[in-house]
Amino acid sequence: NAGVMQNPRHLVRRRGQEARLRCSPMKGHSHVYWYRQLPEEGLKFMVYLQKENIIDESGMPKERFSAEFPKEGPSILRIQQVVRGDSAAYFCATRQGTMRFTEAFFGQGTRLTVV
Amino acid sequence: AQSVTQPDIHITVSEGASLELRCNYSYGATPYLFWYVQSPGQGLQLLLKYFSGDTLVQGIKGFEAEFKRSQSSFNLRKPSVHWSDAAEYFCAVGAVGGGSNYKLTFGKGTLLTVNP
Repeated sequence: NAGVMQNPRHLVRRRGQEARLRCSPMKGHSHVYWYRQLPEEGLKFMVYLQKENIIDESGMPKERFSAEFPKEGPSILRIQQVVRGDSAAYFCATRQGTMRFTEAFFGQGTRLTVV
Repeated sequence: AQSVTQPDIHITVSEGASLELRCNYSYGATPYLFWYVQSPGQGLQLLLKYFSGDTLVQGIKGFEAEFKRSQSSFNLRKPSVHWSDAAEYFCAVGAVGGGSNYKLTFGKGTLLTVNP
């Protein structure tokens, strides 16, 4: 059973380009969380999705950022018109969608560098 | 809304010494609590979790943590630190938001340096 897969591991974009980060959950996991990590700032919650639904996007910047988790395929975090301040490590975590509380498992992250 | 405070940004210990990393949380109900470890350039690995029951929980790599409701704390401990334990440690609280949904909130992390 493969773990949570994120790709690419490293992504370099020029200012103004689009960045697409992908997260493939573990088998049987239907809940996805995206976090952004900046040095010395810990993990900042961005968005929480269930299959085809956004549950909580309170941590997402209002502009340029969007996320989806379609019925088929990975979850996508999309950043349009990237700026230098978007440079960070982006992690996704996934968990089972059961009523019982279960822990989340993390991917290795995507390190975005905007030049 | 829930929050997590890790008071120590950076801790240095000698190999073989004991370790305690502090974590305080704020949440209105019984929390679900976690400790994760992150090695440089890597993702986060779950060390241990508290859901209910015994307040002293055992995790991987010889770590344990104790839930103290009266102090709103969930401190991580290890009796004898190994050089390979050098990493960043994150405490997190899970808050149930209804049904099968919940949100996971992290502290800012504690960086552990181990001296030989």
